[in-house]
Amino acid sequence: QQPVQSPQAVILREGEDAVINCSSSKALYSVHWYRQKHGEAPVFLMILLKGGEQKGHEKISASFNEKKQQSSLYLTASQLSYSGTYFCGTEKKYSGGGADGLTFGKGTHLIIQP
Amino acid sequence: GAVVSQHPSWVICKSGTSVKIECRSLDFQATTMFWYRQFPKQSLMLMATSNEGSKATYEQGVEKDKFLINHASLTLSTLTVTSAHPEDSSFYICSASSFGGRGSYEQYFGPGTRLTVT
Repeated sequence: QQPVQSPQAVILREGEDAVINCSSSKALYSVHWYRQKHGEAPVFLMILLKGGEQKGHEKISASFNEKKQQSSLYLTASQLSYSGTYFCGTEKKYSGGGADGLTFGKGTHLIIQP
Repeated sequence: GAVVSQHPSWVICKSGTSVKIECRSLDFQATTMFWYRQFPKQSLMLMATSNEGSKATYEQGVEKDKFLINHASLTLSTLTVTSAHPEDSSFYICSASSFGGRGSYEQYFGPGTRLTVT
């Protein structure tokens, strides 16, 4: 089942902060975050596993609340290069282990203006 | 590291012909690769899971006889769109999985192949 992302779109000025949410109606093993620019492939940002972990990469961080089946991506002091569409991808871990295909949300369009 | 390439990046073909798309992991070995399809302004939809040396697993609604997948080595998976029709026109993206530790597998995407069927 497709995770639900919110907001659908957001426009910010450079230096402002943004939060993108991703929620699922099913139990999750992990949440993957990607950024895609127009006409390009998605770029991997980070993966969060069960255990309520948080991760950070420069000014982009994320959290995963497995009980609530939600994840949030935080962008602080946004830069022009952050513009793009952000997707969360969710994965169910099958008993056999190994990598699992991702079910992506519809994406959140982020526009950063100077 | 974790670079994935796709070839070709753009292809136009006539209706009824077949098209082969290659996906390669350049600097790591990938036991599992995935094929996704993305229509304009839409999200990525998983088509199939490709495991090296075994048959691909297709998602519900994806015709396995139309989208032939071969994963002959740990660095190469191919997707062949057989008897292509205009409705098959889309952006096809592959990803290759890499073990990220702690039981997690990160997926790295190729640059995608834009298929246009006329």
